[in-house]
Amino acid sequence: DQQVKQNSPSLSVQEGRISILNCDYTNSMFDYFLWYKKYPAEGPTFLISISSIKDKNEDGRFTVFLNKSAKHLSLHIVPSQPGDSAVYFCAAKEGTSYDKVIFGPGTSLSVIP
Amino acid sequence: SAVISQKPSRDICQRGTSLTIQCQVDSQVTMMFWYRQQPGQSLTLIATANQGSEATYESGFVIDKFPISRPNLTFSTLTVSNMSPEDSSIYLCSVWDSYNSPLHFGNGTRLTVT
Repeated sequence: DQQVKQNSPSLSVQEGRISILNCDYTNSMFDYFLWYKKYPAEGPTFLISISSIKDKNEDGRFTVFLNKSAKHLSLHIVPSQPGDSAVYFCAAKEGTSYDKVIFGPGTSLSVIP
Repeated sequence: SAVISQKPSRDICQRGTSLTIQCQVDSQVTMMFWYRQQPGQSLTLIATANQGSEATYESGFVIDKFPISRPNLTFSTLTVSNMSPEDSSIYLCSVWDSYNSPLHFGNGTRLTVT
């Protein structure tokens, strides 16, 4: 059973517009969430995280929103740039201590110049 | 954050052979993990590499197929044994270097089994 879901395998956005990537989870014990970006031939790179005690976390062009009651989070990228074209993975874990991280299937974002 | 080096970056191997992948970190880390990304799939945790003791394997992964060593706090190896084409994947080393920090990844090893 997939505990972290990203229902959109791909997304295309015009440069300068907002990209919204969605993620749903089923395990109510998850309380720490991360987003990673992956380019081909590279390892995933950490982007931004959010703890369940917050509903929003912002870092530059990237904002993550968490809706615990809906078990849903989203990553907003504003404005989108061609260099943002990559696969984005949503990930989750229980707590902030050392524990395994569960990844979603990923969403491939294409930002069109 | 920790700098993670993985070797080899890619390899093409014959069915039935074994490949050992090395992961070197530039600082001591408590937790090291090995992940696999099959073509078009997400990242799946293979095992946690424990320093000085046997690795902890996830469901579906066994020590005979994926033996792991971790002789110290900066180095680990993953061996893919008796390979078949289904083992063609990207294998990723990752580390957790401090409390409340995110998981960091190496660049991965792209393995093709023919």
